[in-house]
Amino acid sequence: KNEVEQSPQNLTAQEGEFITINCSYSVGISALHWLQQHPGGGIVSLFMLSSGKKKHGRLIATINIQEKHSSLHITASHPRDSAVYICAGDVPRSQGNLIFGKGTKLSVKP
Amino acid sequence: EAGVTQSPTHLIKTRGQQVTLRCSPISGHTSVYWYQQALGLGLQFLLWYDEGEERNRGNFPPRFSGRQFPNYSSELNVNALELEDSALYLCASSYDRGLNTIYFGEGSWLTVV
Repeated sequence: KNEVEQSPQNLTAQEGEFITINCSYSVGISALHWLQQHPGGGIVSLFMLSSGKKKHGRLIATINIQEKHSSLHITASHPRDSAVYICAGDVPRSQGNLIFGKGTKLSVKP
Repeated sequence: EAGVTQSPTHLIKTRGQQVTLRCSPISGHTSVYWYQQALGLGLQFLLWYDEGEERNRGNFPPRFSGRQFPNYSSELNVNALELEDSALYLCASSYDRGLNTIYFGEGSWLTVV
C-alpha cells in the first residue's frame, strides 16, 4: 500500500462541473502539497497546506490532519484545467524527500 | 523573472552511456531538488542540494550523482545508463530548506535505448 493514495485515478468532467480529487496518507506529515502537471511534463505547485483550507481563484484545497485526508476542489471547471494533479506529503525532517501520490488525470470536456 | 530552467529538454542515449542533466534555479533560491518520474511509477525523490552540499539522497544507486555549483545551478549525472533509467527528470528549487515554496522546471525527458 502506498503511503500517499489518490482517488480517482482518472476523472472526466464536463466544462462547468465541480470537481473533487482526494488524497489520503498513512504517514505523519508536516505539510501536504498539491501539484499540477501538464502533458508537456512541467509541474506547477498549486498549494502547500499544513492545516485548514486555502483558496486560489477557482481552486480550493482542504486538509484534515486528524483524518489524514486532503481534497482539491475545482469550481466551474474548464478544459484548460485538464492535467494530472498530484498530492505529495512532506514528512518532518524529510530533507526534500516528498512522498508523492500517483496522480489523478483530469480531462475536462467542452 | 525566469523560472527553473532545465536542459536538455529531450535526449536519447544508449545503454551503458553516461548523461548529464542541468538545472538553473530561480534567482535567490539556494536549494535544488531532483526527482525522477518513470512511466507508471510516479515521482520519486533523487537528490537535494543546498548551499553547494548534498543534503539528502533518495533510494537510488550510486551511479546517480550530482553537484551544485557556487551559483546554485546543479547537474545530475547518471552513469552506466540502463533501460529503466528512461524517465522524466525534474528539477525544483526553493529559497529555504523547508519546501515552503517549491518551483519545478519543465523537466528533461531521457530515453535509453
